[in-house]
Amino acid sequence: GDSVTQMEGPVTLSEEAFLTINCTYTATGYPSLFWYVQYPGEGLQLLLKATKADDKGSNKGFEATYRKETTSFHLEKGSVQVSDSAVYFCALSANFGNEKLTFGTGTRLTIIP
Amino acid sequence: KAGVTQTPRYLIKTRGQQVTLSCSPISGHRSVSWYQQTPGQGLQFLFEYFSETQRNKGNFPGRFSGRQFSNSRSEMNVSTLELGDSALYLCASSFNSGAGGYEQYFGPGTRLTVT
Repeated sequence: GDSVTQMEGPVTLSEEAFLTINCTYTATGYPSLFWYVQYPGEGLQLLLKATKADDKGSNKGFEATYRKETTSFHLEKGSVQVSDSAVYFCALSANFGNEKLTFGTGTRLTIIP
Repeated sequence: KAGVTQTPRYLIKTRGQQVTLSCSPISGHRSVSWYQQTPGQGLQFLFEYFSETQRNKGNFPGRFSGRQFSNSRSEMNVSTLELGDSALYLCASSFNSGAGGYEQYFGPGTRLTVT
C-alpha cells in the first residue's frame, strides 16, 4: 500500500539556519504530494503541494520538489525563524477523486533565537 | 471565507458511551474527510464523504461511522467508546483546484478523551 517515510525528529535549529526535512514515498501511479504544518493546539495547514514530477511547490519561503526518480519530496527553507517552530507532515494523495491523504509520522521543529 | 469549523472542540466521555462530532466545511466544498490523530498511530484516515455518499473508507472498526447532509455538513459517530479512541479528530474539506487536483483544508479538531 501507499506509505510516506519522514525524517525522524525532533529537529532543533538556530534562527537563520538552513532547514531540510526529508520525505520519501511509496505509491502506485502518480500521487500528489503535500507538506502540512501543525502549530500547537491547531489543526493542519496546507503549506505547499506538487502534483507531478519535477514540480516545485513553494510558500512562505519553504520549497519542495517532486522527484519521481528518487520518490522524494524534501522540504527546505533557507533561513528559518522562531515562528517556524511547529510539526511538519509530509503526505500523499494517490489518485484524483480518491482524496485519502496518507501521512508521514511528522517532524517536530524547534527554532532557537 | 470562513474556515472549516468543528464542534465541540473538547469532549470527555466514559468507556461504553457513544459520541457525535460535527464538521462544517468551507462554503462551496462538497467533500469532507475525517482523520484520527494519536501520538502512537499518527494521522489515520477514517472516511470521506462527497454529496452525501461515503466515497472512501479507512481501516477502522464499524463502531466508527459518519454521514453527510445536503448542505455538506458532516458528522461522525463513535459507539461503545474505548480508551484507545482518545484522540484528536480532524475534519477536512476539499475542492478540485483544477489541474492541480484536490486541496484539503483542515479544521482545528475535536479533542476526545475517554475515561
